[in-house]
Amino acid sequence: AQSVTQLGSHVSVSEGALVLLRCNYSSSVPPYLFWYVQYPNQGLQLLLKYTTGATLVKGINGFEAEFKKSETSFHLTKPSAHMSDAAEYFCAVTLGGGTASKLTFGTGTRLQVTL
Amino acid sequence: DTAVSQTPKYLVTQMGNDKSIKCEQNLGHDTMYWYKQDSKKFLKIMFSYNNKELIINETVPNRFSPKSPDKAHLNLHINSLELGDSAVYFCASSQTAEAFFGQGTRLTVV
Repeated sequence: AQSVTQLGSHVSVSEGALVLLRCNYSSSVPPYLFWYVQYPNQGLQLLLKYTTGATLVKGINGFEAEFKKSETSFHLTKPSAHMSDAAEYFCAVTLGGGTASKLTFGTGTRLQVTL
Repeated sequence: DTAVSQTPKYLVTQMGNDKSIKCEQNLGHDTMYWYKQDSKKFLKIMFSYNNKELIINETVPNRFSPKSPDKAHLNLHINSLELGDSAVYFCASSQTAEAFFGQGTRLTVV
């Protein structure tokens, strides 16, 4: 079984400040990890993913995340927040890319960006 | 071209009615899903189909019946709608672990 915990349902940063959204996972096997973003009244868009290989992964819109097995974490960061980053962010885990794979999502973190 | 498209985008209906949501993907993926997002934004898988075969059925009431006429389409039919069915329903598809989502169908039961 797998699970995801996102610490902080709401994060507020100033424009230009560092964005840090926290995600911890639990998985019985090596996980595949994802960050998705949801803008108001929109679907989910993949920001980045970790499957195997390099533990620091870069995604779209300047976001990156680092897979830390020892800490069971996959925190999302962006050096400088922009107003357009305001959205809901979801961390998700799956146990691989097989036909029975399903995404288990965290409860989401709403990012607010202020002037 | 939209990769995963759902219709309708909004659906308002009365309790007890039956409704369907349609989903189509043009990505050539073998696997399609239905996810439900509740009022607190929590996302949970409902069903998964692989090449028209039901793979995952996550303890969803049997009022919900998915149907996959071919691997590019996955529809969701809901009988006897209840107030608690109000949510946003997302269709998704994948070929490996990465899932691509549709824009969602906001279902409101009144």
